[in-house]
Amino acid sequence: RKEVEQDPGPFNVPEGATVAFNCTYSNSASQSFFWYRQDCRKEPKLLMSVYSSGNEDGRFTAQLNRASQYISLLIRDSKLSDSATYLCVVNGDWTGANNLFFGTGTRLTVIP
Amino acid sequence: EPEVTQTPSHQVTQMGQEVILRCVPISNHLYFYWYRQILGQKVEFLVSFYNNEISEKSEIFDDQFSVERPDGSNFTLKIRSTKLEDSAMYFCASRVIGEGTEAFFGQGTRLTVV
Repeated sequence: RKEVEQDPGPFNVPEGATVAFNCTYSNSASQSFFWYRQDCRKEPKLLMSVYSSGNEDGRFTAQLNRASQYISLLIRDSKLSDSATYLCVVNGDWTGANNLFFGTGTRLTVIP
Repeated sequence: EPEVTQTPSHQVTQMGQEVILRCVPISNHLYFYWYRQILGQKVEFLVSFYNNEISEKSEIFDDQFSVERPDGSNFTLKIRSTKLEDSAMYFCASRVIGEGTEAFFGQGTRLTVV
């Protein structure tokens, strides 16, 4: 059983494109949700938290659907610097409320 | 900006040897974690630590693994007898409090077991 599932991609999109990533999680009791970004051979870094009402940070929009146990990330006007792996992260999974559980990540390459 | 620091950045060890990976979490953080990432695979939870004891651990964190906070600043992961399959990037992370807050990750220690 996978706690957090993502489409691994890769997604190859041209500059300026809009791209969306999806993620599902298995435990309905999960309380907190995040998108992290990981560059090649680097540590994960927080991109944004995901709130129940949905939230936006510049070109990035995150959505949460608790009923479907589904999280999404939308990137508008893609930049070359957006090329990275995007990690869906869930807190409060079934084994513990304080731990973060990672999806496999979705690899994005933005092409000039 | 405060950051989590890990040493060494790369460790090569022979199979069966003991290794200690070191981390200095952000000073006012209360929760500490070790994760690992085998090349090309996802980030996997190993163990969480709070109030000077293990809070939770995964199936990966067997008797070969141990963690310590020997003083007020360091947080270590020890692997007693390394195996080839222990080769991975090991990330330390810390958080101010638990659920809902951002976890800050160190830059990782790449462990290569030969």
